[in-house]
Amino acid sequence: DAGVIQSPRHEVTEMGQEVTLRCKPISGHNSLFWYRQTMMRGLELLIYFNNNVPIDDSGMPEDRFSAKMPNASFSTLKIQPSEPRDSAVYFCASSWAGGPGANVLTFGAGSRLTVL
Amino acid sequence: DQQVKQNSPSLSVQEGRISILNCDYTNSMFDYFLWYKKYPAEGPTFLISISSIKDKNEDGRFTVFLNKSAKHLSLHIVPSQPGDSAVYFCAASALGNTPLVFGKGTRLSVIA
Repeated sequence: DAGVIQSPRHEVTEMGQEVTLRCKPISGHNSLFWYRQTMMRGLELLIYFNNNVPIDDSGMPEDRFSAKMPNASFSTLKIQPSEPRDSAVYFCASSWAGGPGANVLTFGAGSRLTVL
Repeated sequence: DQQVKQNSPSLSVQEGRISILNCDYTNSMFDYFLWYKKYPAEGPTFLISISSIKDKNEDGRFTVFLNKSAKHLSLHIVPSQPGDSAVYFCAASALGNTPLVFGKGTRLSVIA
C-alpha cells in the first residue's frame, strides 16, 4: 500500500486566495482525520470522518475552513479565503475504526501551506 | 487547555545513553496512549503504545511506562542512536476510539 497520500506537498499563496488540500487514505480504512501542526499549538485535530460522514468538526477554526469526504478514497480540506495565520503543516491520517489498532493512525507526509 | 502536555521542548542525549521523554495528561477518561516519531518533512509515524490496563510495554529499544495515578507516561530509548533524533509526540485517546489528542512534541537530539 502506498500509504496516506496528500497533495500538494507545498503550497504558497497570497492572502485571500482559496486553498484546497487533498488526501487519499489507505484503502480499507474507514476513518479519516485532518490535523494541523503549528509551533504554538502542536498537532491539533481539525475534523474527522467515519465512513465518509463528518463526526466532529469542532476543531475547525472558522467558517473559512471546510472539509468534505465524497467517497471512501478521497477527502479535501478547503480554506477560503486564506489568511497568513493559516500558515501551517496540514496532515491527513486514516485508520480502521472498530478493530484492533483502531487508535493507531497512519499519517500522510503533510501539506505545508504558506499564506503571504 | 492542553490535555496532553510535553513540558520539555527539546532533549539532548549522547549516543549509547538512555533517552527519557515525558508526557503528562489531565483527562482521566484517557485509556490508550501512544508515542509517535516525526522526522523533518515527513508525517508522524507510530512507535509504541500502551493500554491503561498495563503499566509497561516494551518493543526492542523502546519502552513506555504508564503511571495512571500520576497521569504520567514516559518513553525510554536504550541505547539511544543518532537515527533516533526526531520529534516525539505523545498522544492519548479515550474510551470508544475517540480521536487522538497530541502533545506539542519533544525534539530529541542524539549526539554521536
